[in-house]
Amino acid sequence: QVTLRESGPALVKPTQTLTLTCTVSGFSVSTTGVCVTWVRQPPGKGLEWLAFIDWEDDKHYNTSLKTRLTISKDTSKNQVVLTMTSVDPVDTATYYCARITSGLRYFDYWGQGMLVTVSS
Amino acid sequence: EIVLTQSPSTLSLSPGERATLSCRPSQSVDSNYLVWYQQKPGQAPRLLIYGTSLTAAGTPDRFSGSGSGTHFTLTISRLEPEDFAVYYCQHYGNSVWTFGQGTKVE
Repeated sequence: QVTLRESGPALVKPTQTLTLTCTVSGFSVSTTGVCVTWVRQPPGKGLEWLAFIDWEDDKHYNTSLKTRLTISKDTSKNQVVLTMTSVDPVDTATYYCARITSGLRYFDYWGQGMLVTVSS
Repeated sequence: EIVLTQSPSTLSLSPGERATLSCRPSQSVDSNYLVWYQQKPGQAPRLLIYGTSLTAAGTPDRFSGSGSGTHFTLTISRLEPEDFAVYYCQHYGNSVWTFGQGTKVE
Protein backbone atom coordinates (compact mmCIF):
# COMPACT_ATOMS: atom_id res chain seq x y z
CA GLN A 1 0.00 0.00 0.00
CA VAL A 2 1.44 3.33 -1.09
CA THR A 3 1.34 6.07 1.54
CA LEU A 4 3.02 9.41 2.05
CA ARG A 5 2.94 11.31 5.33
CA GLU A 6 4.07 14.85 5.96
CA SER A 7 5.53 15.89 9.29
CA GLY A 8 7.09 18.98 10.79
CA PRO A 9 6.25 21.96 12.96
CA ALA A 10 2.69 23.22 12.87
CA LEU A 11 3.81 26.71 13.88
CA VAL A 12 6.91 28.63 12.90
CA LYS A 13 7.92 32.22 13.51
CA PRO A 14 8.59 34.71 10.72
CA THR A 15 12.21 34.68 9.43
CA GLN A 16 12.76 31.12 10.70
CA THR A 17 13.55 28.09 8.57
CA LEU A 18 10.81 25.53 8.02
CA THR A 19 11.77 21.88 7.64
CA LEU A 20 9.17 19.39 6.44
CA THR A 21 9.62 15.65 6.08
CA CYS A 22 7.72 13.32 3.77
CA THR A 23 7.92 9.71 4.96
CA VAL A 24 6.85 7.22 2.34
CA SER A 25 5.90 3.57 2.49
CA GLY A 26 4.90 1.01 -0.07
CA PHE A 27 7.67 2.16 -2.39
CA SER A 28 11.27 3.32 -2.23
CA VAL A 29 12.49 6.81 -3.05
CA SER A 30 15.61 5.23 -4.56
CA THR A 31 13.80 3.01 -7.06
CA THR A 32 14.36 3.90 -10.69
CA GLY A 33 11.55 6.11 -11.94
CA VAL A 34 10.37 7.24 -8.51
CA CYS A 35 10.12 10.97 -7.85
CA VAL A 36 8.67 12.97 -4.98
CA THR A 37 7.33 16.49 -5.16
CA TRP A 38 5.98 19.13 -2.78
CA VAL A 39 2.89 21.26 -3.29
CA ARG A 40 1.31 23.83 -0.98
CA GLN A 41 -2.12 25.35 -0.61
CA PRO A 42 -2.81 28.52 1.40
CA PRO A 43 -6.11 28.42 3.29
CA GLY A 44 -9.02 28.81 0.87
CA LYS A 45 -6.72 29.15 -2.14
CA GLY A 46 -5.33 27.05 -4.97
CA LEU A 47 -2.40 24.69 -5.38
CA GLU A 48 1.19 25.82 -5.87
CA TRP A 49 3.98 23.45 -6.91
CA LEU A 50 7.18 23.89 -4.90
CA ALA A 51 9.91 21.35 -5.58
CA PHE A 52 10.80 17.96 -7.11
CA ILE A 53 13.45 15.31 -6.58
CA ASP A 54 13.96 12.08 -8.48
CA TRP A 55 15.67 8.75 -7.82
CA GLU A 56 18.93 10.08 -9.26
CA ASP A 57 18.78 13.18 -7.04
CA ASP A 58 17.87 15.47 -9.91
CA LYS A 59 16.07 18.48 -8.41
CA HIS A 60 13.79 21.24 -9.70
CA TYR A 61 12.26 24.22 -7.94
CA ASN A 62 9.48 26.73 -8.35
CA THR A 63 11.20 29.63 -10.03
CA SER A 64 9.79 32.28 -7.71
CA LEU A 65 10.77 30.37 -4.54
CA LYS A 66 13.99 28.82 -5.75
CA THR A 67 16.32 30.86 -3.54
CA ARG A 68 14.45 29.77 -0.39
CA LEU A 69 13.87 26.07 -1.05
CA THR A 70 16.04 23.00 -0.71
CA ILE A 71 14.82 19.47 -1.36
CA SER A 72 16.75 16.35 -0.41
CA LYS A 73 16.16 12.72 0.34
CA ASP A 74 17.33 10.17 2.88
CA THR A 75 17.14 6.79 1.20
CA SER A 76 17.95 4.94 4.42
CA LYS A 77 14.81 6.37 6.02
CA ASN A 78 12.75 6.50 2.82
CA GLN A 79 12.14 10.18 3.37
CA VAL A 80 12.17 13.39 1.37
CA VAL A 81 12.89 16.65 3.16
CA LEU A 82 11.94 20.17 2.12
CA THR A 83 13.43 23.22 3.77
CA MET A 84 12.17 26.73 3.29
CA THR A 85 14.19 29.64 4.64
CA SER A 86 13.03 33.07 5.80
CA VAL A 87 9.38 32.13 6.19
CA ASP A 88 6.70 34.82 6.20
CA PRO A 89 3.01 34.75 7.14
CA VAL A 90 2.19 34.38 3.43
CA ASP A 91 3.85 30.95 3.62
CA THR A 92 1.01 29.76 5.85
CA ALA A 93 -0.44 26.81 3.97
CA THR A 94 -1.17 23.12 3.91
CA TYR A 95 1.93 21.41 2.55
CA TYR A 96 1.55 18.19 0.57
CA CYS A 97 4.08 15.72 -0.72
CA ALA A 98 3.17 13.56 -3.69
CA ARG A 99 4.65 10.79 -5.78
CA ILE A 100 5.46 10.71 -9.47
CA THR A 101 6.31 7.43 -11.17
CA SER A 102 5.27 8.06 -14.74
CA GLY A 103 7.18 9.80 -17.47
CA LEU A 104 3.99 11.80 -17.96
CA ARG A 105 4.86 13.50 -14.68
CA TYR A 106 1.49 13.42 -12.94
CA PHE A 107 1.12 13.11 -9.17
CA ASP A 108 -0.46 9.71 -8.56
CA TYR A 109 -0.40 9.51 -4.76
CA TRP A 110 -0.58 12.36 -2.28
CA GLY A 111 -0.01 12.67 1.43
CA GLN A 112 -2.84 13.93 3.60
CA GLY A 113 -1.16 17.30 3.95
CA MET A 114 0.07 19.29 6.91
CA LEU A 115 -1.00 22.79 7.90
CA VAL A 116 1.89 25.05 8.73
CA THR A 117 1.14 28.44 10.24
CA VAL A 118 3.71 31.23 10.17
CA SER A 119 3.07 33.64 12.98
CA SER A 120 4.90 35.40 15.77
CA GLU B 1 6.11 30.40 -17.70
CA ILE B 2 2.78 28.95 -18.80
CA VAL B 3 -0.33 30.18 -17.02
CA LEU B 4 -3.39 27.94 -16.84
CA THR B 5 -6.75 29.75 -16.72
CA GLN B 6 -9.72 27.71 -15.59
CA SER B 7 -13.30 28.69 -16.21
CA PRO B 8 -15.75 29.16 -14.81
CA SER B 9 -14.49 29.78 -11.28
CA THR B 10 -17.72 28.31 -9.94
CA LEU B 11 -20.19 26.05 -11.68
CA SER B 12 -23.61 25.72 -10.06
CA LEU B 13 -25.38 22.57 -11.16
CA SER B 14 -27.69 19.86 -9.86
CA PRO B 15 -27.12 16.12 -9.58
CA GLY B 16 -27.70 14.43 -12.91
CA GLU B 17 -26.60 17.45 -14.93
CA ARG B 18 -23.60 17.62 -17.22
CA ALA B 19 -20.57 19.63 -16.12
CA THR B 20 -18.06 21.10 -18.56
CA LEU B 21 -14.90 22.63 -17.09
CA SER B 22 -12.37 24.53 -19.18
CA CYS B 23 -8.60 24.91 -18.83
CA ARG B 24 -6.79 27.29 -21.15
CA PRO B 25 -2.98 27.44 -21.19
CA SER B 26 -1.43 30.80 -22.06
CA GLN B 27 0.43 29.07 -24.89
CA SER B 28 0.12 25.80 -26.71
CA VAL B 29 1.15 22.83 -24.56
CA ASP B 30 1.92 19.16 -25.07
CA SER B 31 -1.31 17.31 -24.34
CA ASN B 32 0.66 14.42 -22.82
CA TYR B 33 1.29 16.59 -19.77
CA LEU B 34 -2.18 17.96 -19.09
CA VAL B 35 -3.71 16.55 -15.91
CA TRP B 36 -6.91 17.00 -13.88
CA TYR B 37 -7.29 16.58 -10.11
CA GLN B 38 -10.34 16.61 -7.85
CA GLN B 39 -10.18 18.04 -4.35
CA LYS B 40 -12.83 17.77 -1.68
CA PRO B 41 -12.85 19.90 1.47
CA GLY B 42 -10.24 18.82 3.98
CA GLN B 43 -8.73 16.27 1.61
CA ALA B 44 -5.67 16.08 -0.58
CA PRO B 45 -6.15 16.36 -4.33
CA ARG B 46 -6.90 13.14 -6.13
CA LEU B 47 -5.67 12.28 -9.62
CA LEU B 48 -8.56 11.98 -12.07
CA ILE B 49 -7.21 12.25 -15.61
CA TYR B 50 -3.71 12.41 -17.08
CA GLY B 51 -2.40 12.80 -20.59
CA THR B 52 -5.48 14.95 -21.35
CA SER B 53 -7.87 12.01 -21.69
CA LEU B 54 -6.52 8.97 -19.83
CA THR B 55 -8.52 8.11 -16.74
CA ALA B 56 -6.65 7.19 -13.59
CA ALA B 57 -7.41 4.01 -11.72
CA GLY B 58 -10.64 4.42 -9.80
CA THR B 59 -11.95 7.34 -11.84
CA PRO B 60 -15.60 6.73 -12.72
CA ASP B 61 -16.58 6.47 -16.39
CA ARG B 62 -18.65 9.65 -16.18
CA PHE B 63 -15.40 11.67 -16.11
CA SER B 64 -13.72 12.38 -19.42
CA GLY B 65 -11.05 14.74 -20.67
CA SER B 66 -10.34 16.19 -24.06
CA GLY B 67 -8.56 18.99 -25.82
CA SER B 68 -5.30 20.09 -27.33
CA GLY B 69 -3.03 23.08 -27.68
CA THR B 70 -4.60 25.93 -25.76
CA HIS B 71 -7.98 24.50 -24.78
CA PHE B 72 -8.68 21.50 -22.60
CA THR B 73 -11.93 20.28 -21.11
CA LEU B 74 -12.99 18.06 -18.24
CA THR B 75 -16.52 16.73 -18.63
CA ILE B 76 -18.63 15.03 -16.01
CA SER B 77 -21.48 13.44 -17.93
CA ARG B 78 -23.96 13.15 -15.08
CA LEU B 79 -23.11 14.68 -11.74
CA GLU B 80 -23.31 12.45 -8.72
CA PRO B 81 -23.50 13.93 -5.20
CA GLU B 82 -19.86 12.95 -4.55
CA ASP B 83 -18.66 14.95 -7.59
CA PHE B 84 -19.30 18.34 -5.98
CA ALA B 85 -15.73 19.48 -5.35
CA VAL B 86 -12.97 21.69 -6.71
CA TYR B 87 -11.20 20.63 -9.89
CA TYR B 88 -7.68 21.70 -10.88
CA CYS B 89 -5.90 21.33 -14.16
CA GLN B 90 -2.12 20.98 -14.14
CA HIS B 91 0.61 21.15 -16.74
CA TYR B 92 4.19 19.95 -16.74
CA GLY B 93 6.84 21.40 -18.99
CA ASN B 94 10.51 22.40 -18.82
CA SER B 95 10.89 20.89 -15.34
CA VAL B 96 8.10 23.07 -13.95
CA TRP B 97 4.57 22.19 -12.87
CA THR B 98 1.75 24.71 -13.03
CA PHE B 99 -1.78 24.52 -11.66
CA GLY B 100 -4.88 26.36 -12.75
CA GLN B 101 -6.72 28.32 -10.09
CA GLY B 102 -9.50 25.74 -9.85
CA THR B 103 -13.18 25.39 -10.69
CA LYS B 104 -15.62 24.74 -7.88
CA VAL B 105 -18.58 22.58 -8.83
CA GLU B 106 -21.38 23.31 -6.41
